[in-house]
Amino acid sequence: DGGITQSPKYLFRKEGQNVTLSCEQNLNHDAMYWYRQDPGQGLRLIYYSQIVNDFQKGDIAEGYSVSREKKESFPLTVTSAQKNPTAFYLCASSMSGGAYEQYFGPGTRLTVT
Amino acid sequence: EDKVVQSPLSLVVHEGDTVTLNCSYEVTNFRSLLWYKQEKKAPTFLFMLTSSGIEKKSGRLSSILDKKELFSILNITATQTGDSAVYLCAGSKTSYDKVIFGPGTSLSVIP
Repeated sequence: DGGITQSPKYLFRKEGQNVTLSCEQNLNHDAMYWYRQDPGQGLRLIYYSQIVNDFQKGDIAEGYSVSREKKESFPLTVTSAQKNPTAFYLCASSMSGGAYEQYFGPGTRLTVT
Repeated sequence: EDKVVQSPLSLVVHEGDTVTLNCSYEVTNFRSLLWYKQEKKAPTFLFMLTSSGIEKKSGRLSSILDKKELFSILNITATQTGDSAVYLCAGSKTSYDKVIFGPGTSLSVIP
């Protein structure tokens, strides 16, 4: 069963703690992405990776970090430097080259208090 | 700066109505225009449009791209309550894999 999985579904953290969101895909896609979605808003790109061991900042990378050690995995760390981390986080993947649609995971809702 | 604008931002219609959702874009090195449907969580892919003037259809949904005027429309005919969702429009670039999303149109179909 091919697809993208994200875990956990819901995550609660105290302010000042770093938290890592998991994203795994078994679609053999080269490119992977992290987006943030706030209520009533579209998707804003945090980081993306076109190939293993390489990634680029998106539009709102401050306070976030990623790694891409394996093709299948693209974890996102929300650090304590992120001023307003409470949001819905979506991971996506696509075949590389920009000519292909992105497939999305089910998302992780992060609440920081 | 690249941007994608959608209108209206929200819409309420009755079952059976036909709706048209609008998307305009300013994306440098534009490759294609994508439409997604987001019901509760993950957006699901609807259409990818690369060429101007060629309509893509899937059941009651259809979409067309105008690369001269830089816009696209998504039509839904004979709407059903299951069409209630946020519809996202996005522009992709030729230079790399980045995709720019619009804010979405929230569609509510009432019985």
